[in-house]
Amino acid sequence: GAVVSQHPSRVICKSGTSVKIECRSLDFQATTMFWYRQFPKQSLMLMATSNEGSKATYEQGVEKDKFLINHASLTLSTLTVTSAHPEDSSFYICSAGTNNLQGFFGPGTRLTVL
Amino acid sequence: QKEVEQNSGPLSVPEGAIASLNCTYSDRVSQSFFWYRQYSGKSPELIMSIYSNGDKEDGRFTAQLNKASQYVSLLIRDSQPSDSATYLCAVNTNSGNTPLVFGKGTRLSVIA
Repeated sequence: GAVVSQHPSRVICKSGTSVKIECRSLDFQATTMFWYRQFPKQSLMLMATSNEGSKATYEQGVEKDKFLINHASLTLSTLTVTSAHPEDSSFYICSAGTNNLQGFFGPGTRLTVL
Repeated sequence: QKEVEQNSGPLSVPEGAIASLNCTYSDRVSQSFFWYRQYSGKSPELIMSIYSNGDKEDGRFTAQLNKASQYVSLLIRDSQPSDSATYLCAVNTNSGNTPLVFGKGTRLSVIA
């Protein structure tokens, strides 16, 4: 199977700071990366879809100016949570795919905003 | 709207029994079907993918797909306490360049 990594695995920050999360496809080139968020005891919620070299497509209700997504290469996408607040505390998970490869997730990033 | 439905559970089975997890989906043109296992605090782990009608077996796991009934299931044979987790069903109508649609998951508890 395909390997997807995320960094950092856990981050704790103060309210108002920005946090960057990296998602990498390690053994394949991902034309598309997906960012999900999962609150406790809930299922995964798709936040946005990013394609290499183009702007991300955000799901309804997700603020594009707050959750900045950059997909500058075929192996790296970043999600920046700007001016984070306690309600942004969640488990952020990325997934990467190509036309013929799908369904592989990174290990997730646990964000806690104090 | 594309929907994937799962019984939230919890589903409790004794150790060694067969656990049966079910999932229905609304979009008839769905092509790819996935089962994930998610332990608390961890990312989903892909267990099985299935694309054609019928059964697909991998070790203790068997996925069953019936596109006419828009139904996909996962059987876990010889259930172990370590199988206790939330099982997520996911569906895709297109390629890996479109996102999966997830069900809310079924919590499985295997009792020793």
